[in-house]
Amino acid sequence: GAGVSQSPSNKVTEKGKDVELRCDPISGHTALYWYRQSLGQGLEFLIYFQGNSAPDKSGLPSDRFSAERTGGSVSTLTIQRTQQEDSAVYLCASSPGGGYTEAFFGQGTRLTVV
Amino acid sequence: AQKVTQAQTEISVVEKEDVTLDCVYETRDTTYYLFWYKQPPSGELVFLIRRNSFDEQNEISGRYSWNFQKSTSSFNFTITASQVVDSAVYFCALSESINAGNMLTFGGGTRLMVKP
Repeated sequence: GAGVSQSPSNKVTEKGKDVELRCDPISGHTALYWYRQSLGQGLEFLIYFQGNSAPDKSGLPSDRFSAERTGGSVSTLTIQRTQQEDSAVYLCASSPGGGYTEAFFGQGTRLTVV
Repeated sequence: AQKVTQAQTEISVVEKEDVTLDCVYETRDTTYYLFWYKQPPSGELVFLIRRNSFDEQNEISGRYSWNFQKSTSSFNFTITASQVVDSAVYFCALSESINAGNMLTFGGGTRLMVKP
């Protein structure tokens, strides 16, 4: 079956522009996570969605970052007014539930802000 | 706040050597989970193991084994008879959240290079 799918795989944007990154989780998975992987900060948790509950946004680094999950499936991570320090690989993961079930990661979107 | 430290940033071994990747964690919770993930050059994170804080039994899966010691807050990972395909970045991670078990705090990763 299909794994977690992220698009685009690569994105180059100019500083100050807005970007949207998409994540298609594994069908039926109720939990969805966004992480960021950068050279300076390593792997960082950003946001967590579980079913219809309010998301846990505790990892979002600034108010320029937001995420939505429509219909309990596809998620979009939006970065407004991108800065060079936003350059990183953005990873999405999904799991069957919110507890300690194995999470499956996508291959990530590499974002480069120039 | 929780923290995971992987002191080894890079390890290079020759094929068939055994190698141990160290992981030390900090948490104030008594209930937590520890993980190891593998990140091959393709980029996706591959789940290897999850261990809860109440289970200190060592685990072996093929050439992989894990040694969890609460007394030293360590969760080390050993690959026996390493192979070139084991070359990857390995991450140790910690979760304190019962309801969101994959809200992970990752260590900085250890890049393992296995040479033929």
